[in-house]
Amino acid sequence: GAVVSQHPSWVICKSGTSVKIECRSLDFQATTMFWYRQFPKQSLMLMATSNEGSKATYEQGVEKDKFLINHASLTLSTLTVTSAHPEDSSFYICSARDLRGRQGDEQFFGPGTRLTVL
Amino acid sequence: TQLLEQSPQFLSIQEGENLTVYCNSSSVFSSLQWYRQEPGEGPVLLVTVVTGGEVKKLKRLTFQFGDARKDSSLHITAAQPGDTGLYLCAGVETNAGKSTFGDGTTLTVKP
Repeated sequence: GAVVSQHPSWVICKSGTSVKIECRSLDFQATTMFWYRQFPKQSLMLMATSNEGSKATYEQGVEKDKFLINHASLTLSTLTVTSAHPEDSSFYICSARDLRGRQGDEQFFGPGTRLTVL
Repeated sequence: TQLLEQSPQFLSIQEGENLTVYCNSSSVFSSLQWYRQEPGEGPVLLVTVVTGGEVKKLKRLTFQFGDARKDSSLHITAAQPGDTGLYLCAGVETNAGKSTFGDGTTLTVKP
């Protein structure tokens, strides 16, 4: 249980285009999902907290108009990188909380999406 | 401000050696998680500790939560090449709603 999927696993796009990344909880409902960005050999940097049915909460320094988050259902959150530029190239990872009979604080991560902007 | 300090940042050892990774903070956490991540993949949850002084074992891995719930350690006995990866600790402050991650420890176990 507690499986999270991400799609696509990797994407290459041209500068100026928009890219949408999907995060799905496959066997549980997630009222809260998180989006992280990770640079090589570094830890996770939280970008935003995605709440089902409401606006996402962005961390300081993260442009909400640049990184659009939609959490339309209890099993799906999407991150759209708008007008992508080479500096947006990174590894993007989502996670979700499964509150069923668990501690509640645990996050289960997707496999990540490698974005390369040319 | 980095709330969680993880050490060491890099660790390279021979197969069969023991090692300890530390996660320290000035904040009190309601729970703390340890994750392991391999290149190109998402982090995988290893354990959650919630009670001060708690010790959990997962085969050759021993996790300990400090009495004051401000720090934690991960001890690996007789490390194997398959233990190679990035180890991350993450703490959740009461009512924070989100986790704070440490900087990570990159472990390399040489055969």
